[in-house]
Amino acid sequence: NAGVTQTPKFQVLKTGQSMTLQCAQDMNHNSMYWYRQDPGMGLRLIYYSASEGTTDKGEVPNGYNVSRLNKREFSLRLESAAPSQTSVYFCASSYSYTSGDTDTQYFGPGTRLTVL
Amino acid sequence: RKEVEQDPGPFNVPEGATVAFNCTYSNSASQSFFWYRQDCRKEPKLLMSVYSSGNEDGRFTAQLNRASQYISLLIRDSKLSDSATYLCVVNESGGYQKVTFGTGTKLQVIP
Repeated sequence: NAGVTQTPKFQVLKTGQSMTLQCAQDMNHNSMYWYRQDPGMGLRLIYYSASEGTTDKGEVPNGYNVSRLNKREFSLRLESAAPSQTSVYFCASSYSYTSGDTDTQYFGPGTRLTVL
Repeated sequence: RKEVEQDPGPFNVPEGATVAFNCTYSNSASQSFFWYRQDCRKEPKLLMSVYSSGNEDGRFTAQLNRASQYISLLIRDSKLSDSATYLCVVNESGGYQKVTFGTGTKLQVIP
């Protein structure tokens, strides 16, 4: 049981390049999330997928797109990377989309992205 | 006012000490509350949920005060391995699970 996995662990991009961050979970969770974490800012939600087939914007969606490929996988794409997107990106999943104990989120190990 | 506020610390405490962190939240409609732990350069991991009646897990005690809109985490008999950043997490009610993370309180337990 791997939990939540993310690839790659590290990435360096040049401004304007594109890339896709991959995330997969094997816990049969319905909801998945993408966050970024910057010093002093806490975790901020980029996009989320409440269930397979749906995606919605979070707090900071500009410059990103997502795909919920199936129940297990949720990818994040940067179409044209900018230095402001230098951050640590975490994928998370939870069983439920609504409040309560089942909404506990489990995180992947993160992707450290630097945009030059 | 930030939706979820935490004292960033760092809290430097000797081994064996008791330390407490508070976290305030602004939305009175918030429904569920958690404490997560994040080690340096690692992902956040659930430490414990926070229940209205308060709850304990070994050396850790979490409390919720809805009237004053804050949650607390008490760590007794601090260990070196408790050194980490502790994130307060608040989940609002409603169809969208709007989860807000605090920026974290850093704890350093000193030998």
